[in-house]
Amino acid sequence: AQTVTQSQPEMSVQEAETVTLSCTYDTSESNYYLFWYKQPPSRQMILVIRQEAYKQQNATENRFSVNFQKAAKSFSLKISDSQLGDTAMYFCASTQNSGNTPLVFGKGTRLSVIA
Amino acid sequence: GAVVSQHPSRVICKSGTSVKIECRSLDFQATTMFWYRQFPKQSLMLMATSNEGSKATYEQGVEKDKFLINHASLTLSTLTVTSAHPEDSSFYICSASTGGLGGYTFGSGTRLTVV
Repeated sequence: AQTVTQSQPEMSVQEAETVTLSCTYDTSESNYYLFWYKQPPSRQMILVIRQEAYKQQNATENRFSVNFQKAAKSFSLKISDSQLGDTAMYFCASTQNSGNTPLVFGKGTRLSVIA
Repeated sequence: GAVVSQHPSRVICKSGTSVKIECRSLDFQATTMFWYRQFPKQSLMLMATSNEGSKATYEQGVEKDKFLINHASLTLSTLTVTSAHPEDSSFYICSASTGGLGGYTFGSGTRLTVV
């Protein structure tokens, strides 16, 4: 069974600064997928970034990037130039086969961006 | 992009009644639908996985007779909470998959309050 651990329940960052959210996971699968989702106060789940485990290159989406350390089973999210709109719950998630199996979520990190 | 429309967004029902929540994939065919439950300030907990035309697979501890899931077409999945009790009050979210690398699309969620 897959497990996802987020060890930071809450974090805060000054506007325009950089913040890194931690995530570790455990899986026995050789191929799997990792995700970061954002859940703002509206509670709509929004995909932030996705990483296929077989790809060595870290995924990047504008101000969001990941540090994927496969051997350490670590998948941290870096948010650069933080904006007030980044304030949200962030969930790290994994799945063994993208689409056919459910996502397993971590407990989440509540990020507050301070003006 | 792929959109999942979830209705209703909020519902209040009396204890003992049943409530149906619908999730429709608007511009793609959802071969697999996942239903999650989220308690306040907590993560998403998988309730069940449904595939079009077949019975849903429920997670351990989820009462299949209380949470009826129907996935009769590739564009519609429903979750019916039967004989609702106050402890069923929660936020319910559906997530659709196309089975490919496109990943997952989430509905906007339903806040159920049982009084």
